[in-house]
Amino acid sequence: SQTIHQWPATLVQPVGSPLSLECTVEGTSNPNLYWYRQAAGRGLQLLFYSVGIGQISSEVPQNLSASRPQDRQFILSSKKLLLSDSGFYLCAWSVGVGVNTEAFFGQGTRLTVV
Amino acid sequence: GIQVEQSPPDLILQEGANSTLRCNFSDSVNNLQWFHQNPWGQLINLFYIPSGTKQNGRLSATTVATERYSLLYISSSQTTDSGVYFCAVNPSGTYKYIFGTGTRLKVLA
Repeated sequence: SQTIHQWPATLVQPVGSPLSLECTVEGTSNPNLYWYRQAAGRGLQLLFYSVGIGQISSEVPQNLSASRPQDRQFILSSKKLLLSDSGFYLCAWSVGVGVNTEAFFGQGTRLTVV
Repeated sequence: GIQVEQSPPDLILQEGANSTLRCNFSDSVNNLQWFHQNPWGQLINLFYIPSGTKQNGRLSATTVATERYSLLYISSSQTTDSGVYFCAVNPSGTYKYIFGTGTRLKVLA
């Protein structure tokens, strides 16, 4: 069966420090991969998605970037964190396009920038 | 882009009560999912329902794609049903999943 791993679960980082969050999927090939952010008490905002290695689509201009170095690995990065980058970051995967493409989410990383 | 609105934004129920949550979307979609976000932030898949009706225990969902809405029914609510309920849609011709605004449910014992 397919599983998604996301780490770390919590992270406290100072303003101006770099960030790297990693997400990996097991049990499937060529998944679509997604990064979402949820600010406190708010909804989920799509940040990036990828339909293949090296293919990244950005939804919202911001202080973050994403990379997909391997088929089932998706990384969210920042060179210098801002206070506004605090939030709950969720990785997700799906397979295919169109109908029958259910999305599944990881456990999330709670990032606090201090 | 597509707009996804959920209502009501907040809902307080007494244990045992029934409720209906609504999700409206502004454009055609390939599919629609309902999630429950628990107090720890985990998103639990409830239903994958691009059209029609599905039931799972005390929960059921109906999507009328031609009229661009979906409903989530919770019967005989329990305190463990508390949390935030989101619908998410996959707009036609895209790979994206766009989330609704959410409904925060609190079930009182």
